[in-house]
Amino acid sequence: GEQVEQLPSSLIVQEGASVLINCSYTDSASVYFPWYKQEPGKRLQFIIDIRSNMERKQNQRLTLLFDKKTKHLSLHITATQPGDSAIYFCSPGTGGYKVVFGSGTRLLVSP
Amino acid sequence: NSKVIQTPRYLVKGQGQKAKMRCIPEKGHPVVFWYQQNKNNEFKFLINFQNQEVLQQIDMTEKRFSAECPSNSPCSLEIQSSEAGDSALYLCASSPHNTEVFFGKGTRLTVV
Repeated sequence: GEQVEQLPSSLIVQEGASVLINCSYTDSASVYFPWYKQEPGKRLQFIIDIRSNMERKQNQRLTLLFDKKTKHLSLHITATQPGDSAIYFCSPGTGGYKVVFGSGTRLLVSP
Repeated sequence: NSKVIQTPRYLVKGQGQKAKMRCIPEKGHPVVFWYQQNKNNEFKFLINFQNQEVLQQIDMTEKRFSAECPSNSPCSLEIQSSEAGDSALYLCASSPHNTEVFFGKGTRLTVV
């Protein structure tokens, strides 16, 4: 089955810094790549996605880069704020019913 | 904003007891998922449904876990005989299919 690895597992940055979260997957059939954010006590929240026919997608302070050849994604968050503190998950999927999650990256943004 | 509703938010059961949790998926979403998230934040897929029919489930689900998604009623996940290792956050999610998944807030089960 699909294996998903996220690195780093945790990040601590000062407010205003940029961060990069990496995600690698193994299943070449994966075509849809949403990312989710999980804050303590809150539900997982969709933040950005990309499909396999794209290389880059931006949504405000979030930029998602996708390399189909290397099966690798990078989530770039600029101008981080304390409210960005959460666990971030990538979730490669084949576009069907199979949804898997990476191991998560815990981000802590200190004021 | 997700409208997936899970109840109860917290559940405490003794070993060997039944534990049942419910989920109301978003209206119009044909696909429903159940996941178990452990204290290391790792997700374990349990089962998914499309329009009340089971699509996939893991072995664990087949043995001690049972789940259903009847029409016009909440979906449910039940552990027949709870074990300490079942203590986790149980997440229900629904999807319109081939797009992002919308999650509930989860039911935190503690087996004492």
